Amino acid sequence: GAVVSQHPSRVICKSGTSVKIECRSLDFQATTMFWYRQFPKQSLMLMATSNEGSKATYEQGVEKDKFLINHASLTLSTLTVTSAHPEDSSFYICSARIAGSNTGELFFGEGSRLTVL
Amino acid sequence: EDKVVQSPLSLVVHEGDTVTLNCSYEVTNFRSLLWYKQEKKAPTFLFMLTSSGIEKKSGRLSSILDKKELFSILNITATQTGDSAVYLCAVGFSSGTYKYIFGTGTRLKVLA
Repeated sequence: GAVVSQHPSRVICKSGTSVKIECRSLDFQATTMFWYRQFPKQSLMLMATSNEGSKATYEQGVEKDKFLINHASLTLSTLTVTSAHPEDSSFYICSARIAGSNTGELFFGEGSRLTVL
Repeated sequence: EDKVVQSPLSLVVHEGDTVTLNCSYEVTNFRSLLWYKQEKKAPTFLFMLTSSGIEKKSGRLSSILDKKELFSILNITATQTGDSAVYLCAVGFSSGTYKYIFGTGTRLKVLA
């Protein structure tokens, strides 16, 4: 089956630093990847849709300058949390759909737990 | 506004019981509905539904979609403690871009 690798799985950083999270599709090409944020005991909130070779599409209320998304190749998307603050602490999870799939299944990475001190 | 709503929010049952989880949606240009089980980290895929009235089945789990009434149900029969998890419903749709939004989830706890 399709595998999505996400790392780091856990990161602790100081307030004011930037953190980069990588999401890779290992055995398929993904023109589109999705970044979600999950608060404790809550569902997944879509942050942005990452499109290979073009700018990401952000959901309403998500700061694009705060959460920088880059999708430089068909197998890699990155999320950079810039100038992180404690309120950015959360579980971030990426997912990908196989290129060309019209209604296809979403494949998830293992998620990254960010703790900002 | 596009939205996905799940009910109940939480459920406690005993082993052997049958449960029915609900997912209703309002989106433009619906494409698919997906069910996931989340225990600790990443959600694991259960079913993808695109057509009304066709039941998908996997062991004790089954699901069906009604595109006219805009909802889906997930049934779990003869529940086991290992079924305890959060069950998430996601809807894929086209709204400028193709994307998926998730419902609130149903937290299921199965007691021995």
